Amino acid sequence: DAKTTQPPSMDCAEGRAANLPCNHSTISGNEYVYWYRQIHSQGPQYIIHGLKNNETNEMASLIITEDRKSSTLILPHATLRDTAVYYCIVRVVAGSSNTGKLIFGQGTTLQVKP
Amino acid sequence: DAGVIQSPRHEVTEMGQEVTLRCKPISGHDYLFWYRQTMMRGLELLIYFNNNVPIDDSGMPEDRFSAKMPNASFSTLKIQPSEPRDSAVYFCASTLDSWRVAFFGQGTRLTVV
Repeated sequence: DAKTTQPPSMDCAEGRAANLPCNHSTISGNEYVYWYRQIHSQGPQYIIHGLKNNETNEMASLIITEDRKSSTLILPHATLRDTAVYYCIVRVVAGSSNTGKLIFGQGTTLQVKP
Repeated sequence: DAGVIQSPRHEVTEMGQEVTLRCKPISGHDYLFWYRQTMMRGLELLIYFNNNVPIDDSGMPEDRFSAKMPNASFSTLKIQPSEPRDSAVYFCASTLDSWRVAFFGQGTRLTVV
């Protein structure tokens, strides 16, 4: 399974864009990049995912480099409610005994400050 | 759909007792995951099922832990005998297939005294 590397913590000012980086240099062709977040002790919540193109939804944007070795999650206008642990995950989607497996690393703790 | 439902939400038990955690996945979902979360170790995948069959149980810490999925709408995680170091929040999640969004339950906070 490809491993991910994220900074342990980041700060962001309220109203500004939060850019969370993730390195996944060993990603394979059958692996997607997923982002989840966990607020307090709630269950993790899906944010966005992608294969190789940039993706955007109502929560965030995902920018994946052309070589797919890294990605950035962008929260365009961070609010205090976006304070959470953000997890970047690479997931095998087909053609492996690990298909579907969802492994969480340590994530990045994002603190949005007033 | 009500989402992934876990029970109980909180469990306090004495060391040596058997503990059973329950999970009802979202109807129609083919994958079910069990996780354990502690401050020290983060969110660990214990086991996951596809179509009720265990695919990977390499994360199960030891023989005291067992998980079953007798049908598509129910799964259990059992700890027997329980120990204080098993204290953690246990999450269940389900997903429609290998690449779709995984939805998590609210978790069961287990305390073993």
